[in-house]
Amino acid sequence: GENVEQHPSTLSVQEGDSAVIKCTYSDSASNYFPWYKQELGKRPQLIIDIRSNVGEKKDQRIAVTLNKTAKHFSLHITETQPEDSAVYFCAPGGAGSYQLTFGKGTKLSVIP
Amino acid sequence: NAGVTQTPKFRVLKTGQSMTLLCAQDMNHEYMYWYRQDPGMGLRLIHYSVGEGTTAKGEVPDGYNVSRLKKQNFLLGLESAAPSQTSVYFCASSLTSQYNEQFFGPGTRLTVL
Repeated sequence: GENVEQHPSTLSVQEGDSAVIKCTYSDSASNYFPWYKQELGKRPQLIIDIRSNVGEKKDQRIAVTLNKTAKHFSLHITETQPEDSAVYFCAPGGAGSYQLTFGKGTKLSVIP
Repeated sequence: NAGVTQTPKFRVLKTGQSMTLLCAQDMNHEYMYWYRQDPGMGLRLIHYSVGEGTTAKGEVPDGYNVSRLKKQNFLLGLESAAPSQTSVYFCASSLTSQYNEQFFGPGTRLTVL
C-alpha cells in the first residue's frame, strides 16, 4: 500500500509569515494530491488539490506544488492568519485505487 | 441540504457490546467511506463503498463490518467492541470517484470501556 509521510508534524509561525508543509509518498501510480484542513473539534475539509498533469496550483493565499519525479508535494500558505491554525493532512491517491491514504497530519499554529 | 450526517454523535460501550453507526448523505454521491481518527495517527480507512450494494476493505477493517443497502446510507457495525476501538469515527462521501472532493460528516466519538 501507499506509504505517506508529512513533515513537519508541528509548525509555529508568526502571523503574516509563510508556512510550508511537505508530503512524501511511495506509490508512483498516485496521480491525485489533495490537502485537507481540520480545525479543532471540526470535520476535515478539502482546501486544495492537484492532478499529476499540473505542477502547481494556487488559490488566493494557498498553493500546492508537485514534484512527481521525487514523489513529494507541498502545501504553501502565505500571509498566515490566526484562522489558518489547524491540522493539515495530505492524502495522495488515484490511479488503480479507489481510496486516498491520509498522512498523519501537521499541526499549524499561527501566533498573533 | 444536510450534506453528510452521522448518528450518534457520542457513545459509550462496554467491552463485548455491539453497535451500529449510521452515515447518511443527501448529495446523491456514489462513493462512501468510513475512517477512524486516533491522536497522532491521521485518518485511517476502515471500509469503503463505490456504489449501492458494494463494499470493500480499507487499511484497518478488522473488528468492523459495513453495509450499503441504500445509496444514501452507509452503516458501520462493531459486533464485539474492544477498548482498542475507542476513537473518533468519520464518514465521508464523494461524487463519482476518488478524484472528487470527500465531504465529511461531523464525527462520532466512541469510547469502549
